[in-house]
Amino acid sequence: QKEVEQDPGPLSVPEGAIVSLNCTYSNSAFQYFMWYRQYSRKGPELLMYTYSSGNKEDGRFTAQVDKSSKYISLFIRDSQPSDSATYLCAMSARTGANNLFFGTGTRLTVIP
Amino acid sequence: ETGVTQTPRHLVMGMTNKKSLKCEQHLGHNAMYWYKQSAKKPLELMFVYSLEERVENNSVPSRFSPECPNSSHLFLHLHTLQPEDSALYLCASSQRERDEQYFGPGTRLTVT
Repeated sequence: QKEVEQDPGPLSVPEGAIVSLNCTYSNSAFQYFMWYRQYSRKGPELLMYTYSSGNKEDGRFTAQVDKSSKYISLFIRDSQPSDSATYLCAMSARTGANNLFFGTGTRLTVIP
Repeated sequence: ETGVTQTPRHLVMGMTNKKSLKCEQHLGHNAMYWYKQSAKKPLELMFVYSLEERVENNSVPSRFSPECPNSSHLFLHLHTLQPEDSALYLCASSQRERDEQYFGPGTRLTVT
């Protein structure tokens, strides 16, 4: 079983839609969760960082963690064509572990 | 220059060639990483340097040889590569006690 599972998509939505991206994981020790956005021909950039369970909001983006279900989500409201990218989830068991476990990434296209 | 830079951006090499990838970070971080990114696979951590000492070597073949001369620079020396080594090689940096990693744009490597 993979440490982190992520549906690779691709996912296409119309502009203005609410997007839901998800990852599941198997290691109950994970407690630090990240979402990265990777545009074509670029490196991943950190989008959201959360600790333990709960929600975190930043503008149009909301990260949600449900540790009891080993499930994390990233919601994008009022999606824009500029949100078209691959979204990677990542997680670790302890801060500064220098060893993040990544999902395979979900490719998102927002159609104008 | 800001952030994390990588050179070259694209590299085509034969199986008998020797080449090097270069990474430089301008963020004042003290940990640096090499990752391999292949299609439909999670990011694979190859090497970690923390305070200029190697702390992780995830069973990477010896045809990949890292070098970290100081906290701002990281190299990946390549020799006698195989076609399956073709991938995007990403460099990242962080503060060693934190999870947030900052990535460079990557080097797209093709082995012929």
